Amino acid sequence: QSVLTQPPSASGTPGQRVTISCSGSSSNIGSNYVYWYQQLPGTAPKLLIYRNNQRPSGVPDRFSGSKSGTSASLAISGLRSEDEAAYYCAAWDDSLSVPYVFGTGTKVTVL
Amino acid sequence: EVQLVESGGGLVQPGRSLRLSCTASGFTFGDYAMSWVRQAPGKGLEWVGFIRSKTYGGTTQYAASVKGRFTISRDDSKSIAYLQMTSLKTEDTAVYYCTRGLWFGEYCFDYWGQGTLVTVSS
Repeated sequence: QSVLTQPPSASGTPGQRVTISCSGSSSNIGSNYVYWYQQLPGTAPKLLIYRNNQRPSGVPDRFSGSKSGTSASLAISGLRSEDEAAYYCAAWDDSLSVPYVFGTGTKVTVL
Repeated sequence: EVQLVESGGGLVQPGRSLRLSCTASGFTFGDYAMSWVRQAPGKGLEWVGFIRSKTYGGTTQYAASVKGRFTISRDDSKSIAYLQMTSLKTEDTAVYYCTRGLWFGEYCFDYWGQGTLVTVSS
């Protein structure tokens, strides 16, 4: 079971800004970096954001991440049809039972 | 170009074993940790475990759900990571992804394979 909580869905029209939240605890988000992954339909996940707000090479600057306390968020500005995907946050957890945890996932729909 | 290709998936009966392989190319395999992540049909992502590079001891960590049943190993000479799964349960049915772990104070799973489907059913 996921220990990082995300809203199950989010939506917007092309060009809009969409924000996805990720809520954790002091043992994960509160003390470690946050990562975001994008999973397009029928494909493998892809790293979108690392170290809370860093973008790997090739990821458009329309995607941005932030973190505050035990929560994090991913913002997609200038929403495009190709952004329709599932988005997962993740973090290392200081507990021994599940060292690395994923969020519950958010399906973004472009209306 | 970094490539990770999983193989070995298929249909297996509950209680049996299966070994998955992840063949890597496009980078110096021995310098990186390797991890496995799974996704049950229609569900979210679940981290399975990982193995550090030999530089960091080649040690492993696992999720509680698979600890004692799954073993991750690596063969740096062949650039292959393995996931040995024993005592399989129906709830282990999932697509299994191999990922590369980049160390920068924490491990970041920056590249993923396309996945291989494991179905546990009688």
